[in-house]
Amino acid sequence: QQPVQSPQAVILREGEDAVINCSSSKALYSVHWYRQKHGEAPVFLMILLKGGEQKGHEKISASFNEKKQQSSLYLTASQLSYSGTYFCGTEIGNTGNQFYFGTGTSLTVIP
Amino acid sequence: DVKVTQSSRYLVKRTGEKVFLECVQDMDHENMFWYRQDPGLGLRLIYFSYDVKMKEKGDIPEGYSVSREKKERFSLILESASTNQTSMYLCASSFPYTGAVTDTQYFGPGTRLTVL
Repeated sequence: QQPVQSPQAVILREGEDAVINCSSSKALYSVHWYRQKHGEAPVFLMILLKGGEQKGHEKISASFNEKKQQSSLYLTASQLSYSGTYFCGTEIGNTGNQFYFGTGTSLTVIP
Repeated sequence: DVKVTQSSRYLVKRTGEKVFLECVQDMDHENMFWYRQDPGLGLRLIYFSYDVKMKEKGDIPEGYSVSREKKERFSLILESASTNQTSMYLCASSFPYTGAVTDTQYFGPGTRLTVL
């Protein structure tokens, strides 16, 4: 049930772009993206719903391919503040106990 | 700003003890969640509650129970703590969301529990 994220880790220089992928074996109602900095709680980035509705961060974009049960998070012109671990969360049913986070992607931005 | 608070940042308990972890949110959210976070495993849902006294098991409920007597408070109970329950425990709350069950989840700072 847990979605698979790739890559597991990535190191970027400031200004470079990155893509983080999230793939599920189940049909998805929605995909959520969170970022967690070391020693802090996860913070919401985006929600993507079936049918194309999105809600979230102005400077970060994401896509949701319902047919392939995949989502991708696009980080463009990365900044030092983008460093952290990114988690996708997937809803595979219409009850709250069917929410699964991926294992995370560690992103490090260096000067 | 939404605030989710957890009763302790660090907790050390002995095997067999009964452990209570408390979570309080101040945004009148219907949904509340308990997760545990372990290296390499991400966040795994233990229990979910969508209303007072209503709860649903998550992915890993074994060895845990929960209580929600008031809307703002969601407690996680380890009936008899074991060493494999040593972990970071995170509480979250959210509104429901049209088209999905959960809107933005707001997380508390976490409780790092060590069971000796």
